[in-house]
Amino acid sequence: NAGVTQTPKFQVLKTGQSMTLQCAQDMNHEYMSWYRQDPGMGLRLIHYSVGAGITDQGEVPNGYNVSRSTTEDFPLRLLSAAPSQTSVYFCASSSSGRRTDTQYFGPGTRLTVL
Amino acid sequence: AQSVAQPEDQVNVAEGNPLTVKCTYSVSGNPYLFWYVQYPNRGLQFLLKYITGDNLVKGSYGFEAEFNKSQTSFHLKKPSALVSDSALYFCAVRDRRSGGSYIPTFGRGTSLIVHP
Repeated sequence: NAGVTQTPKFQVLKTGQSMTLQCAQDMNHEYMSWYRQDPGMGLRLIHYSVGAGITDQGEVPNGYNVSRSTTEDFPLRLLSAAPSQTSVYFCASSSSGRRTDTQYFGPGTRLTVL
Repeated sequence: AQSVAQPEDQVNVAEGNPLTVKCTYSVSGNPYLFWYVQYPNRGLQFLLKYITGDNLVKGSYGFEAEFNKSQTSFHLKKPSALVSDSALYFCAVRDRRSGGSYIPTFGRGTSLIVHP
């Protein structure tokens, strides 16, 4: 199994541009999440999904959209990039709704917005 | 509501010495607690978790953590640190109650630096 994969690894955008960060998992996990990691801020939840067709907002959802059309994929869309969205983005998945579940993280996407 | 505090931004320890990375939590009910490690330029990896039972939990790479309900703490420990343990460590909590949040809350992370 490849686990959780993310593309691209690095991206530079100009203010106002849009892009999609890709996330895929091959473990048939129901739950998927997007986090951003900023120095001194730890991990902050952007959006999450509890299954195909179901998404919800996390702690910092503004400026981001998600959809979940399949169990495997959970893309994160930046509608109009801003410098404040410069960050490292991590996708994570876990198998079910049990609170004992471990989360599996992708390798991250490092995004710079100029 | 649930929250996690990691009071130290950085912990420095000499190789071969014991290490402790601190974590305290707050939940309305009882907690499920997790430790994750992040090596440079990598995603987070699971180390260990406390679900129920023995308060001392053993995990990967020789790490262990002690759950202390009265002090609401879940400190990560290792008897003898290695230079290769240098990384960023995250504590996370989930509320055990069925009505509580499924989504875990992460601490801000503690940078562990092990000196040769």
